[in-house]
Amino acid sequence: DAGVTQSPTHLIKTRGQQVTLRCSPKSGHDTVSWYQQALGQGPQFIFQYYEEEERQRGNFPDRFSGHQFPNYSSELNVNALLLGDSALYLCASNTADTQYFGPGTRLTVL
Amino acid sequence: DQQVKQNSPSLSVQEGRISILNCDYTNSMFDYFLWYKKYPAEGPTFLISISSIKDKNEDGRFTVFLNKSAKHLSLHIVPSQPGDSAVYFCAASANSGYALNFGKGTSLLVTP
Repeated sequence: DAGVTQSPTHLIKTRGQQVTLRCSPKSGHDTVSWYQQALGQGPQFIFQYYEEEERQRGNFPDRFSGHQFPNYSSELNVNALLLGDSALYLCASNTADTQYFGPGTRLTVL
Repeated sequence: DQQVKQNSPSLSVQEGRISILNCDYTNSMFDYFLWYKKYPAEGPTFLISISSIKDKNEDGRFTVFLNKSAKHLSLHIVPSQPGDSAVYFCAASANSGYALNFGKGTSLLVTP
């Protein structure tokens, strides 16, 4: 049974560019959440998708947007990248109480 | 505003002894609590959880205790093993399955 998968593993972008990160949830899970983890910090909640709708959103600007597809996979898009967007981006999926995380995508903005 | 706090950045314990990791929270609406373990270059791995209707939950070597009046929870690992060396994150949710609020983590080192 495959767990949560994310692509790509690493990504390097320059300021002002746009980036798309992808996530496939664990089999049987219908809810996907995205988190940003800066160095030395705990993960920070960005938003959660359920039934292809954004169900809950954290304190992130509109530059951060997402999408969930009918097969429950999800994308995170970040526009107008800033140096401060450099972080590990984590995707988590769940169907009930517990969220299970993928390995993350390491984004570096130069 | 950090609603979940792990005040010990690091902890060192000898193999075979008990490891106790602590976590405090400020939001009284939190009703579901989880512990995750994280190795470098990997995503967090779920360890154990507890809902606010309980004060203790056990799973093998791991036990989580919840003190709602003190807004405090702790993770006990007995006996500690070198493979337990990792960063441990405490997380809380106001509605299970929804947004998780994380602490900054405690780095546990178990020495032989």
